[in-house]
Amino acid sequence: KAGVTQTPRYLIKTRGQQVTLSCSPISGHRSVSWYQQTPGQGLQFLFEYFSETQRNKGNFPGRFSGRQFSNSRSEMNVSTLELGDSALYLCASSQMGGHYNEQFFGPGTRLTVL
Amino acid sequence: TQLLEQSPQFLSIQEGENLTVYCNSSSVFSSLQWYRQEPGEGPVLLVTVVTGGEVKKLKRLTFQFGDARKDSSLHITAAQPGDTGLYLCAGNGSGNTGKLIFGQGTTLQVKP
Repeated sequence: KAGVTQTPRYLIKTRGQQVTLSCSPISGHRSVSWYQQTPGQGLQFLFEYFSETQRNKGNFPGRFSGRQFSNSRSEMNVSTLELGDSALYLCASSQMGGHYNEQFFGPGTRLTVL
Repeated sequence: TQLLEQSPQFLSIQEGENLTVYCNSSSVFSSLQWYRQEPGEGPVLLVTVVTGGEVKKLKRLTFQFGDARKDSSLHITAAQPGDTGLYLCAGNGSGNTGKLIFGQGTTLQVKP
């Protein structure tokens, strides 16, 4: 099976702009979670989508949003970019259905805000 | 709020040495996962532990889940330069959902 794919891999934006990142989960996986990784804060949970519905949300401002499509692909959007949004954005997919949840990560999108 | 404290944050050792990384919390987790991450890449899942007291081995890596499911450890025997990377523990505390709580990570450098 192909792994989780994320596009684009690298992105440079300026303050005030908005950005959309894309994630294609492993085939058959219905849950997609997004994380932000920075050197200072580590990996922090943004949100999770399951069956096109946001099921969990982390402690991030409303500028961060996402959605999931019927084929389980997901996008996240960040509006009015700030310098502090520079980070590696990671997407993870999981199959769900068992009594515990194993997540498999994509390579990430490196976002730089100038 | 569930937190995972990982220690040490940095570890630089010589090839052939043994090491242990700890992951501790005051909260109970339904499962705990260990990942290894290379620079500029996403974390790669190494193992998932589910049962209190569980021990899993992956070649020279031994993972243990505490009896109370609040802590875990990763032990590497005879470390090799290829083991260099960022090791992350992550707990799933909210049942079967896609929210993982991550530790801050341990950066391991194994010198030849």
